[in-house]
Amino acid sequence: QQQVKQSPQSLIVQKGGISIINCAYENTAFDYFPWYQQFPGKGPALLIAIRPDVSEKKEGRFTISFNKSAKQFSLHIMDSQPGDSATYFCAASRDGTASKLTFGTGTRLQVTL
Amino acid sequence: EAQVTQNPRYLITVTGKKLTVTCSQNMNHEYMSWYRQDPGLGLRQIYYSMNVEVTDKGDVPEGYKVSRKEKRNFPLILESPSPNQTSLYFCASSSLLGQTYEQYFGPGTRLTVT
Repeated sequence: QQQVKQSPQSLIVQKGGISIINCAYENTAFDYFPWYQQFPGKGPALLIAIRPDVSEKKEGRFTISFNKSAKQFSLHIMDSQPGDSATYFCAASRDGTASKLTFGTGTRLQVTL
Repeated sequence: EAQVTQNPRYLITVTGKKLTVTCSQNMNHEYMSWYRQDPGLGLRQIYYSMNVEVTDKGDVPEGYKVSRKEKRNFPLILESPSPNQTSLYFCASSSLLGQTYEQYFGPGTRLTVT
């Protein structure tokens, strides 16, 4: 039972382009939505997170867009760089904290020169 | 330096031989969690803890035990490991920071059960 659906599975973007990764959830009780970046051989690292009372949050080149009525949220990476090549995971929390998380299945991003 | 440490990093064991993977954090975080990562499945939560002596099951707790006797430590115990527990395991800790959470993951423990 997959409660957070993430797409695409993989993504190739040219340097300088915009990378967009989408997630959809089913459980309306979810109330905290973080994104993670994971490099090969490393643990995930928290990138940015949003709560459902805002529709957008931006930190540097990373932006989360949140659509509560559609139960969807997405990560936009502006001016994508080769160093952004990694696997990205969305997640949703069942209790508003960062402890009870359900993860998406991940998107492998490759940024080409 | 904020850090979550896990030991061992790599472990090959045999079916049924009890093992413990340790996790320790130096940030005084209240929340700690264990996840397993399998190809195509993302990360799935095994157990989590809200504070000392407070733990609860995640999505895939079968075959695992945890304890939280001290705030900094959250060991994962496999009392009778089976081959389907072969996976990459991550420990994480977190704490509320303003409107969001500060959260760190450990480097991972790759477990193979033969």
